[in-house]
Amino acid sequence: ILNVEQSPQSLHVQEGDSTNFTCSFPSSNFYALHWYRWETAKSPEALFVMTLNGDEKKKGRISATLNTKEGYSYLYIKGSQPEDSATYLCASDYGQNFVFGPGTRLSVLP
Amino acid sequence: EAQVTQNPRYLITVTGKKLTVTCSQNMNHEYMSWYRQDPGLGLRQIYYSMNVEVTDKGDVPEGYKVSRKEKRNFPLILESPSPNQTSLYFCASRSAGTETYEQYFGPGTRLTVT
Repeated sequence: ILNVEQSPQSLHVQEGDSTNFTCSFPSSNFYALHWYRWETAKSPEALFVMTLNGDEKKKGRISATLNTKEGYSYLYIKGSQPEDSATYLCASDYGQNFVFGPGTRLSVLP
Repeated sequence: EAQVTQNPRYLITVTGKKLTVTCSQNMNHEYMSWYRQDPGLGLRQIYYSMNVEVTDKGDVPEGYKVSRKEKRNFPLILESPSPNQTSLYFCASRSAGTETYEQYFGPGTRLTVT
């Protein structure tokens, strides 16, 4: 079974702080890396899909990078806001099956 | 509106009573998948389907069955539910084309087996 890891498991930051999380994944037969934002009682919401080594994606204050050679991705949040509080999931896509990490739970304190 | 729907959203049942959770998508997606979410374990893939009549096991298929007779529907069947299948279940779909890989999730089904 392929294993995707995320760190930290949880994180508490103050409003306005910038933060980042890590996702590491097996890079053999890799197809794409997905990041999702998951709020309690809702469905996971897609943030980014990255496929190429060196890819960088940005959406507002959130950005992500991808290193397929060493098998990791970073998610950055600049100037965190309370509405950013959620669990951030990464998933490694091997074409036919997805393997999710356990998530990083972010709490942004006002 | 493009969406993935699941029914029921909540279900409490007893051990051994067969049940089906339906999943339907209106985006003409080829790929559909079922996941279960348990505390501390993240989302684990149960089964997936690349297209009509094509299904395959994910990481945790034991105790589950699926079928894909139509492109839009991908029901999850529990022939004889057991308490260890108490979980939050998500259905998801995506296009199999090369232009987009984004996966869309349904609202989730919370199942309790007593």
